[in-house]
Amino acid sequence: DIQMTQSPSTLSASVGDRVTITCRASQTISSWLAWLQQKPGKAPKLLVYKASSLQSGVPSRFSGSGSGTEFTLTISSLQPDDFATYYCQQYNSYPWTFGQGTKVEIK
Amino acid sequence: QVQLVQSGAEVKKPGASVKVSCKVSGHTLTEVSMHWVRQAPGKGLEWMGGFDPERVYAQKFQGRVTMTEDTSTDTGYMELSSLRSEDTAVYYCATDALDYWGQGTLVTVSS
Repeated sequence: DIQMTQSPSTLSASVGDRVTITCRASQTISSWLAWLQQKPGKAPKLLVYKASSLQSGVPSRFSGSGSGTEFTLTISSLQPDDFATYYCQQYNSYPWTFGQGTKVEIK
Repeated sequence: QVQLVQSGAEVKKPGASVKVSCKVSGHTLTEVSMHWVRQAPGKGLEWMGGFDPERVYAQKFQGRVTMTEDTSTDTGYMELSSLRSEDTAVYYCATDALDYWGQGTLVTVSS
């Protein structure tokens, strides 16, 4: 199975900050990576697919980059609505696997 | 616009089975490939299996999980048997692109 490792596990930031979350795959997954956002008690929401393609309706302050084994999700200017947990997910091969999550908290 | 609506919360005893449903609207079930993901309380997301287009299951659940589809009602089902306390989780259905999700179904396994 492909292991997905996110860092950091928790991130404290202020509104307006630039935030970067990293995801590393245990083997190459090309660009078959998605980023999802989850708020408490809610289903996850797709933000980015194929490593860098922004899902329709997602604000442009979100961006994804990377390929192979190293990926990043960047929020250019953190907004109050962005405080949530973020997961990366690989769909290069089965079983699909998720990172452990990064919780973005208010500083 | 695709919508996925899941069945309600369940409480089961250890050793029992649970069957969660997920009804598709806005598209037909033949137009989407349904997958299932679960999340234990306070934990991360765990993929269980789905259709691609044949069934594919995570090794961890092989022999205990059965995913089926009823195209006449555009409803997908996930049945998990031999339940144990560690199976207490919110179970989600989602399209294969993970762009649409059900609202989640809490399954509690307790004696």
